[in-house]
Amino acid sequence: AQTVTQSQPEMSVQEAETVTLSCTYDTSESDYYLFWYKQPPSRQMILVIRQEAYKQQNATENRFSVNFQKAAKSFSLKISDSQLGDAAMYFCAYRSWGSGTYKYIFGTGTRLKVLA
Amino acid sequence: DVKVTQSSRYLVKRTGEKVFLECVQDMDHENMFWYRQDPGLGLRLIYFSYDVKMKEKGDIPEGYSVSREKKERFSLILESASTNQTSMYLCASSSYVEAFFGQGTRLTVV
Repeated sequence: AQTVTQSQPEMSVQEAETVTLSCTYDTSESDYYLFWYKQPPSRQMILVIRQEAYKQQNATENRFSVNFQKAAKSFSLKISDSQLGDAAMYFCAYRSWGSGTYKYIFGTGTRLKVLA
Repeated sequence: DVKVTQSSRYLVKRTGEKVFLECVQDMDHENMFWYRQDPGLGLRLIYFSYDVKMKEKGDIPEGYSVSREKKERFSLILESASTNQTSMYLCASSSYVEAFFGQGTRLTVV
């Protein structure tokens, strides 16, 4: 069975600085998706970024980028130029490849605090 | 715009009551999910459904059941609510790749 581990329950970053959130996962599959979701105090989960395992290039979305190390089964999220609105819970998630029956497996989350 | 709607944001129920949590999506997605979110435990999958009337148990199905009579609606049922089911419940539906979430229902069982 697949597992996702986030070892940092809480992180802090100064506004305008850069922070990296860690995620490791375990799977025997070769094709899959990885995601970072953000949950602000409003509780609405929002997709931040996704990565297809077959792609060697790391995904980037504006100030958000990932460092995907497939052999090490590591998927970290880097937030550049941190803003107060980035304060939230961040969840790393895994999903098997393909359509049909699948499920999303989440880590325990990292609470990010942004200091003014 | 994509939308997953949960019927209540906050709910307070008594021990032993039968509780229905409703979730509706407007995206014609095949797959729908119910998760439970607790501090330090992340999101844990209760049940998921990949088609109308089709369902599969997730990691923590005990004490819960689900119903999916129509494609757009996925209901979570607590047959006899207990205090250890006090939690945040999140519904999601999925396109081919990403999951879209509702705003969550914070359930308190007293």
